[in-house]
Amino acid sequence: RKEVEQDPGPFNVPEGATVAFNCTYSNSASQSFFWYRQDCRKEPKLLMSVYSSGNEDGRFTAQLNRASQYISLLIRDSKLSDSATYLCVVTGRGSGNTGKLIFGQGTTLQVKP
Amino acid sequence: GAGVSQSPSNKVTEKGKDVELRCDPISGHTALYWYRQSLGQGLEFLIYFQGNSAPDKSGLPSDRFSAERTGGSVSTLTIQRTQQEDSAVYLCASSLLAGGRQETQYFGPGTRLLVL
Repeated sequence: RKEVEQDPGPFNVPEGATVAFNCTYSNSASQSFFWYRQDCRKEPKLLMSVYSSGNEDGRFTAQLNRASQYISLLIRDSKLSDSATYLCVVTGRGSGNTGKLIFGQGTTLQVKP
Repeated sequence: GAGVSQSPSNKVTEKGKDVELRCDPISGHTALYWYRQSLGQGLEFLIYFQGNSAPDKSGLPSDRFSAERTGGSVSTLTIQRTQQEDSAVYLCASSLLAGGRQETQYFGPGTRLLVL
């Protein structure tokens, strides 16, 4: 079983739609959680950190449920420019406090006009 | 300001040859990471450097892989006797600090390695 699991998609949605991505992680000792965005043939870039209290950045809302080991990302009012692969990422105490990132395989989003 | 840079951007080599991949982290960043992204796979951690501490090599897939970081700045990832399964995008990332308070990792554009 992978340490971080995501539905690879693709998710094909029309502009303006609301779309949600989910992710589960297996290491209960994981301490930090993120969503990264990766455009085709580009490097990953941090989209947002994820906190237990939930956090919002414009059209993007991230949630963490430690009890269920579950992370979510909600995108409202999708734009064409949101088309990308969204990577669920965790770190953990098991990483020896190095901060190394453990990536899910990513969920592909395609927003259509 | 300058981000993480990597060279070469693309490398084609023959099976059995050695290759060296270079990473220049963001100036002042003490933590440096190498990751690998194979086709259809997620990113996987390879190795981590932090200051003068011993590197975390736990992600290196075999003893054909090694990395150095000289002077706390530039890093070189070396793959000896390359195999076709080594074909992937090799990504370098750096962060200001590591451990404890999680710092954002900034990724370079990667080196696309193709082993024929």
